[in-house]
Amino acid sequence: DAGVIQSPRHEVTEMGQEVTLRCKPISGHDYLFWYRQTMMRGLELLIYFNNNVPIDDSGMPEDRFSAKMPNASFSTLKIQPSEPRDSAVYFCASSLGRRARSKSEETQYFGPGTRLLVL
Amino acid sequence: GQQLNQSPQSMFIQEGEDVSMNCTSSSIFNTWLWYKQDPGEGPVLLIALYKAGELTSNGRLTAQFGITRKDSFLNISASIPSDVGIYFCAGQIRGGADGLTFGKGTHLIIQP
Repeated sequence: DAGVIQSPRHEVTEMGQEVTLRCKPISGHDYLFWYRQTMMRGLELLIYFNNNVPIDDSGMPEDRFSAKMPNASFSTLKIQPSEPRDSAVYFCASSLGRRARSKSEETQYFGPGTRLLVL
Repeated sequence: GQQLNQSPQSMFIQEGEDVSMNCTSSSIFNTWLWYKQDPGEGPVLLIALYKAGELTSNGRLTAQFGITRKDSFLNISASIPSDVGIYFCAGQIRGGADGLTFGKGTHLIIQP
């Protein structure tokens, strides 16, 4: 399996621009998670989906952030307008969740991340 | 929200030494996990713990789920250069169908 795929791997943009991050989960996984990593705050959960439906978006910082999952193999995280404080590494992860036959199959697998720099 | 306090923040050790790091929480977690992150990569799961008191090993790694469900530790024995990286503890309340709450990480640096 190719694992979780994220694109782009690096993004540099100017303040005020729209940024779209993309994620393809592992085939067959029905849970998808978006995390953000910064030096100050560490790794934080932003939002997660089950069967393409957002379950918990309480970690989304503000209305400038939105996430969608139009189908089981694709999700986007959009920031509009972007600000310098949004600079971070954004990770996508997927898991079998409750469809797992054992606890060990519930593991969340992380993508390589998108490094975002907003100037 | 929940917070995980992970210590130490960084460790400078000699190759061959044993390493110990831990995580504590003011809230109960029903699953504890330990991840490792290499530069430029996403976190990779090392060990998962599902029961209070559970002690689990994965090669040179050993981790325990505290009896109170509010803490966990990770030990690495006989460290080698490829152990370098950032180690994160993480907790889940509802198990697999739940987001992870992460500690701030322990940065392990090994001097040959």
